[in-house]
Formats: sequence, structure tokens, C-alpha cells
Amino acid sequence: DIQMTQSPSSLSASVGDRVTITCRASQNIATSLNWYQQKPGKAPRLLIFAASNFQSGVPSRFRGSGSGTDFTLTISSLQPEDFAAYFCQQSYSAPFAFGQGTKLEIK
Amino acid sequence: EVQLVESGGGLVQPGESLRLSCGASGFIFENYWMTWVRQAPGKGLEWVANIKEDGNEKYYVDSVKGRFTISRDNAKQSLHLEMTSLRAEDTAVYYCVRDRLELADWGQGTLVIVSS
Repeated sequence: DIQMTQSPSSLSASVGDRVTITCRASQNIATSLNWYQQKPGKAPRLLIFAASNFQSGVPSRFRGSGSGTDFTLTISSLQPEDFAAYFCQQSYSAPFAFGQGTKLEIK
Repeated sequence: EVQLVESGGGLVQPGESLRLSCGASGFIFENYWMTWVRQAPGKGLEWVANIKEDGNEKYYVDSVKGRFTISRDNAKQSLHLEMTSLRAEDTAVYYCVRDRLELADWGQGTLVIVSS
């Protein structure tokens, strides 16, 4: 099974900052990588699919990149509503494992 | 509008069984793979299982293989998760999710607590 390792597990930042979250797969998954945002008490929201494609309605400040085993989610200018948990997920082969998550907190 | 409504969660003792259901509306259910994802309290997301449109392919995470069974009833637009031999570590919110690869549509979740 493919394992996903996400870092950092938590991150403190300020409104307006640029932040990057990384995700590493245990084997080559091409561009089969999704990113989700989750706010407390809510279901996750798909942000990016196939490594770099925006889900409908997602602001352009979110950018996904990478291929193979290494991927990044970059938020170019943090907004107050971006403080949440973020998860990567491989969609290459079942079981479609998630990373352990990154909690983005206000500094 | 896609709607997914889970039900069937509750408090059970270790070793007992529980059946979760998910009612789907707003899309042609029989045209989509369906997925269960769970989240233990304060923890991350765990992909649990998925099932093909016709029900003929099913996949599970290792931790539930042999204990959980995913199924669907396309005529009733419903998805199910039969959970047996429940353990404390199965305690989680269980989400019903449309599709297989890009999980864009989620239910609100149903909470399962396994405790004596």
C-alpha cells in the first residue's frame, strides 16, 4: 500500500503570509494527488485534484504542484478563512490513503 | 444539488456490529463509485472502502478487511457499511463520499463510538 507523509503537522502563520505544505508518497503516483481543506466540525472540501487542478470555486491563491513522489500545496497570501486543516490524498491505487494532515493556525 | 445523508451511527460495545447507511440524491447514483472515509476524534482522515458503480468491485483499507463490508442498492440510491467485530479504534465520524478518485461531495458524517 502507498503511504503518504505530510509536513509540517502544524504551522503558525499570519494573514498575508505565503505558506507551503508538502506531501510525499512512498512510491511514484504520477500526478494522482488531491488536497483537501477541513474546518472544525465540517466535512473536508476538495481544493486541488490531479496535483495541480483547481476544484470549482477554489480561490486562485491556492496552488498545487508536483509529480512522482513529491507534492506541494502553496497558499500565496493567507486569508482569515484559510486557517484550517489540510490533507493530501493519493488517488493512484486503492487503498487511497490520506496524509496525516497539517493544521494551519493563526500566529 | 448533490446530497449525501448518513445514518446508523451510535454507541456500541467492543465486538458488536453496526450498519451505516447513506442516502443519496441530486445525481444519478448508479453512475458513480462511492466511498467511505472516517475520522477519529481529533485525528486525521482515513480512507475506509469504496465500491464500483455496479457493486462488483470493492476495496478496503487493511485495518477493516474481513470485518467491514461495503454495499449499495442502486434502486434505492443508498450506500451501506456493515461493520462487525467493532473495536475501540473504529470510533470515528464516518463520511459517505461520492466518487472514487476526486472526493468532492461529502455527507455530514455519522458518529460511531465503540466503548464498554
